[in-house]
Amino acid sequence: IQMTQSPSSLSASIGDRVTITCRASQGIRNDLIWYQQKPGKAPKRLIYAASSLPGGVPSRFSGSGSGTEFTLTISSLQPEDFTTYYCLQHNSYPLTFGGGTKVEIK
Amino acid sequence: EVQLLESGGGLVQPGGSLRLSCAVSGFTFSSYAMSWVRQAPGEGLECVATINDRGDNTYYADSVKGRFTVSRDNSKNTMYLQMNSLRAEDTAVYSCARIVAGYWGQGTLVTVSS
Repeated sequence: IQMTQSPSSLSASIGDRVTITCRASQGIRNDLIWYQQKPGKAPKRLIYAASSLPGGVPSRFSGSGSGTEFTLTISSLQPEDFTTYYCLQHNSYPLTFGGGTKVEIK
Repeated sequence: EVQLLESGGGLVQPGGSLRLSCAVSGFTFSSYAMSWVRQAPGEGLECVATINDRGDNTYYADSVKGRFTVSRDNSKNTMYLQMNSLRAEDTAVYSCARIVAGYWGQGTLVTVSS
């Protein structure tokens, strides 16, 4: 399954609302995870089951979608959010990631 | 506390082999599928191999199929990645992960160069 993530990068300001999209090449139900990765660090799980927040993840992060179209929304960008985000499908093997979205400061 | 600790990375010549290990603690290793994920310098994430809980089913990215072999020893809480016929494009940080749960190691660097 191919995961097409867009945009590959974006520029935004603190306080902005940001949306990142992942499109699956075939239906994956809600078997989608969003990860945040900071340079030199292991990825951190932000969203699982397409829309569920793990404990400890700020409520400004939200996910939606099912089937082939998914979105990650950050409602109000904070300084620590300027980094890279990846989607991952775990509906079928091999597991596949989107290409990543780098969120930069405008 | 969940811990995943990779080892075995290093510098290897093109065509060479390397075996990575991932030692796990903090959860019941034998109950979960595990994966190896790599990240080339400046690039995105790629899941190269996954093994099921019992070790009798394995899955590979096309980029490594036929060259890499994932295995596990549930008695030692350890997963392995045997990498053969290595190429320059295999240069990356290799991390082990229980991906769906969000548990990752810090990774080990594999450099393929003459």
